[in-house]
Amino acid sequence: EGHLVESGGGLVHPGGSLRLSCAASGFTFSTYVMNWLRQAPGKDLEWISYISTDSTTISYADSVKGRFTISRDNAKNSLYLQTSSLRDDDTAVYYCARDFGGLAPNWFFDLWGRGTLVTVSS
Amino acid sequence: ENVLTQSPGTLSLSLGERATLSCRTSQAVNKYLAWYQRKPGQAPRLLIYGASNRATGIPDRFSGSGSGTDFTLTISRLEPEDFAVYHCHQYGGSPLTFGGGTKVEIK
Repeated sequence: EGHLVESGGGLVHPGGSLRLSCAASGFTFSTYVMNWLRQAPGKDLEWISYISTDSTTISYADSVKGRFTISRDNAKNSLYLQTSSLRDDDTAVYYCARDFGGLAPNWFFDLWGRGTLVTVSS
Repeated sequence: ENVLTQSPGTLSLSLGERATLSCRTSQAVNKYLAWYQRKPGQAPRLLIYGASNRATGIPDRFSGSGSGTDFTLTISRLEPEDFAVYHCHQYGGSPLTFGGGTKVEIK
């Protein structure tokens, strides 16, 4: 079935950076497209980034493009999100999520973590 | 952006009752619609994809229907573990978008 656990969230000042991690277990991580999504207080879930199985294809939402970087280490079964130039509106719970399956993204998510909270505040 | 409107906002029902949740998209998405269940402190759980396909391990009391712009999630007989928030998600166009959720609570 699989398991995803996010970590690395916390309180950061505007303009700061954080590196979020997602540890995967219970499935063959290297064969799945992976994503980051987030939910800000009072807002709907928002997809923010995707990475292909071999890291050759990456995509970002406009809201984070140029500020966030997604990466993965298949040898460590881990997904990462390097955030920078953080703003107040980046405050959210950040989730890693597994794409349904296959080499091409399906764009819906069959396994999620519980999330890690990022709070941007001075 | 394709806006997803879920109704009702809250559904108050008793155990064993039928729950009918609606999701309307502002732009047609064919059948590219998924439903997720969310409980506090837990990871979201995929219930339905492709508008009507149950995900692995999802009980058959959950069913999805619809296409185009109007979709329904039905829980035929509510069990205690079904009281949660349900979100729809369209993946038929960019950007991906989610609905604000319907809370199913115990009456």
